[in-house]
Amino acid sequence: QSALTQPPSVSGSPGQSVALSCTGTSSDVGSYNHVSWYQQPPGTAPKLMIYEVSNRPSGVPGRFSGSKSGNTASLTISGLQAEDEADYYCASYTSSSTWVFGGGTKLTVL
Amino acid sequence: QVQLVESGGGVVQPGRSLRLSCAVSGFILSSHNMHWVRQAPGKGLEWVAFMSGDGSDERYADSVKGRFTTSRDSSENTLYLQMNSLTFEDTAVYYCARDYSGMYSCDYWGQGTLVTVSS
Repeated sequence: QSALTQPPSVSGSPGQSVALSCTGTSSDVGSYNHVSWYQQPPGTAPKLMIYEVSNRPSGVPGRFSGSKSGNTASLTISGLQAEDEADYYCASYTSSSTWVFGGGTKLTVL
Repeated sequence: QVQLVESGGGVVQPGRSLRLSCAVSGFILSSHNMHWVRQAPGKGLEWVAFMSGDGSDERYADSVKGRFTTSRDSSENTLYLQMNSLTFEDTAVYYCARDYSGMYSCDYWGQGTLVTVSS
């Protein structure tokens, strides 16, 4: 199972919106709504930000939203804040009944 | 509150074995599916293994299939990852994570334990 494809880095200024992409195949992202996103600041464990494509767990700010079109999922962060600087990973359930992560995107807040 | 604490990491020679533990509190292990996820130094997350709450269903990444086995002790509320025939590529921080009930994602994570395979 190959990793999902994420851009290595994305940047934005405070207050701006940024979109992080996650491209898979018809065997994972394209076939299931079981796409999730995780935030990982340096030296910490991942934190669930979005599950089932577009749902936010309790406590996650409404600035974070998710969507999917075909084989590509996206995480949009609106009103970017300095505290959002972190690595972001997408994950998807697969047709092999396993899970696969993306390679991660480093978000820099300028 | 929900807590997951991994232990058992360390330095091990190639070809040897190691068993990781994940002690959970704040929930009943047998009521939740669980995952193991690893992260090589400076690299991204890699899903490793899954165990269903009732223990009847286990799944593994191709990279560890046949070498790694997950198990649990419900009386101790502890999840285990038995790792055999370790290779340099298994060097990573290993996290245990709770499956977000029926949502195919992980809602709680431990702090991770570092496994270093080195000769």
